[in-house]
Amino acid sequence: RKEVEQDPGPFNVPEGATVAFNCTYSNSASQSFFWYRQDCRKEPKLLMSVYSSGNEDGRFTAQLNRASQYISLLIRDSKLSDSATYLCVVSSNNFNKFYFGSGTKLNVKP
Amino acid sequence: DAMVIQNPRYQVTQFGKPVTLSCSQTLNHNVMYWYQQKSSQAPKLLFHYYDKDFNNEADTPDNFQSRRPNTSFCFLDIRSPGLGDAAMYLCATSRVEGYLSDEKLFFGSGTQLSVL
Repeated sequence: RKEVEQDPGPFNVPEGATVAFNCTYSNSASQSFFWYRQDCRKEPKLLMSVYSSGNEDGRFTAQLNRASQYISLLIRDSKLSDSATYLCVVSSNNFNKFYFGSGTKLNVKP
Repeated sequence: DAMVIQNPRYQVTQFGKPVTLSCSQTLNHNVMYWYQQKSSQAPKLLFHYYDKDFNNEADTPDNFQSRRPNTSFCFLDIRSPGLGDAAMYLCATSRVEGYLSDEKLFFGSGTQLSVL
């Protein structure tokens, strides 16, 4: 079983739409959770950390559900520039390792 | 600005010809990682250094080696590249201090390796 699983998409949405991605992780002892954004042929860049209390950064909201071992990312009012692959990342229980989901591809259309 | 720097951005090598990719960081992070990413796949961890301690992933081929001569530099050596080793190689760093850390991964811009 993979450490981190995501729906690969693609999610094709119109500008202005709200879109949500989910991610599940297998290790209940995982400590830290993140969403990274990756553009084609570029390195992943941190979008936001995910906390149990939930956190919001502008149009982006992340949630963590430890009991069900899933993480979500909500993007409101989608922009063309949001088109990218969104990677769910989970750190191991000793923080040394970071496990990646395979990414969810988002295409925002005019 | 503090950062993670990878050189070169693009590397072309011949089948079987050894190649070395380099990574340097000015973040003074104690952990450095090498990931391999193939098209449309998740980055796959090859190995990482926690300070001077080398940690190899169980499924990393022996063909891949690494060196970390000091805190700032880390190298990925591919001894005999095969066609299947063509990929983006990403170096990343993190600061881990026991169980109190919640540091993120910081990536270099990657080296795109082509094998001819």
